[in-house]
This record gives sequence, structure tokens and C-alpha cells, in this order.
Amino acid sequence: EAGVAQSPRYKIIEKRQSVAFWCNPISGHATLYWYQQILGQGPKLLIQFQNNGVVDDSQLPKDRFSAERLKGVDSTLKIQPAKLEDSAVYLCASSSGVSSYEQYFGPGTRLTVT
Amino acid sequence: DQQVKQNSPSLSVQEGRISILNCDYTNSMFDYFLWYKKYPAEGPTFLISISSIKDKNEDGRFTVFLNKSAKHLSLHIVPSQPGDSAVYFCAAKMATSGTYKYIFGTGTRLKVLA
Repeated sequence: EAGVAQSPRYKIIEKRQSVAFWCNPISGHATLYWYQQILGQGPKLLIQFQNNGVVDDSQLPKDRFSAERLKGVDSTLKIQPAKLEDSAVYLCASSSGVSSYEQYFGPGTRLTVT
Repeated sequence: DQQVKQNSPSLSVQEGRISILNCDYTNSMFDYFLWYKKYPAEGPTFLISISSIKDKNEDGRFTVFLNKSAKHLSLHIVPSQPGDSAVYFCAAKMATSGTYKYIFGTGTRLKVLA
């Protein structure tokens, strides 16, 4: 079974630029999560999709962050414009939500904003 | 408001001895708890979980204990091996808006000394 795929793995941009991250979850997983993990902290949920609908985006800074999950499969997370404090690892995870509560994480995208 | 706390940022243990990682929570609505292990440059991987209606779950060298009255859980690794060196995250699940969400602790870095 293929795992959660994310790209790019690393990205360096200047502040005020825009950036986009891509995630392809495990096949058949209905729930997809985007987390932000700042160095020394635990993952913080940014947005959660159930199929292609948003079920929680309460911690997403909507003035600069946006996300979509077209057709209920892969997803993109965009930041525009980026700030220095957006430097973090962005993790995508998916879960089936059927037989267990495990989340399967991708390797993450490390973003550095200079 | 940190609802899930891991108060020990790091822990060093001799190979073959027991490793005990602790996690405290504040929200009584959490009904399921999970431990994840994270190696550098990788996403977290699921390790073991426990339902709030149980007080112990064991899987090979890993055992999780839940003390609901104290709102405390712990992960025991016996015997510890050098390959167990990683960052361990405690996560708690709660139902919300027809689905569920996870809150992560800040992590404990375990170093197993050979």
C-alpha cells in the first residue's frame, strides 16, 4: 500500500512570496488533514477535509492560507503572501476513519521563509 | 491553551532499560489517545493507541497506560533499543461537528544509549 505523498520536500522563499504544497493521500482515505509543525512544537491542525468538504478550518489563517481538495482525492495548501513565522514543516495526513483512528502522515514539506 | 502536554522535552535511557514517556491532558472530552514516533526528516508514524474506556494496552515492547482520573497517560518501552531513539508525540482525539479531531503534545525526544 502506497503511503501519503507530499511535494516538494523542501522550499525556500522570501517573505511576501507565495508557495503551494501538494498532497496525495492513501487511496480510499476519506479524511485528509494539513498540519503545521513549528520547530519544538507538536503538529497543529490547519484544515481537515472529509472527502472534498471542509469540516474544520478554525485554525487556518484565512487571510493568507487557502486549501482545496478537488474530487476528494489529492489536496493543495497555498500560502500567499508568506511571512517569516510561516517557516515550519507542513504535514499532510489521511485516515480512513472506518476501522481505526490512526492517521498516516506524509514526510512533510519543510518551508523556510527568509 | 495547551490541552495535551508532554512536560519532558527529552529523555535519555540506557539500552535494555525501560523508557517511560508521559503525557497529561486537560479535556475530559478526549475519548482516544495515540502515540506517534517521528524520525528526522520523516512524518510521524503510528505506534500504539488506547481507548478512554481502557487503562492499558500492550503491543510487543510497547505498553500504554491510561489514568483517567489523573488525566495522565504514559508509554513504556521495554527493553529500550537504540532504534527507538526518536521524538514521541502523544495525541488525543475528540469528536467534533460530526467528525473528530486530534490535538498533539509538543513531543519528547528519546535517546537510547548503546
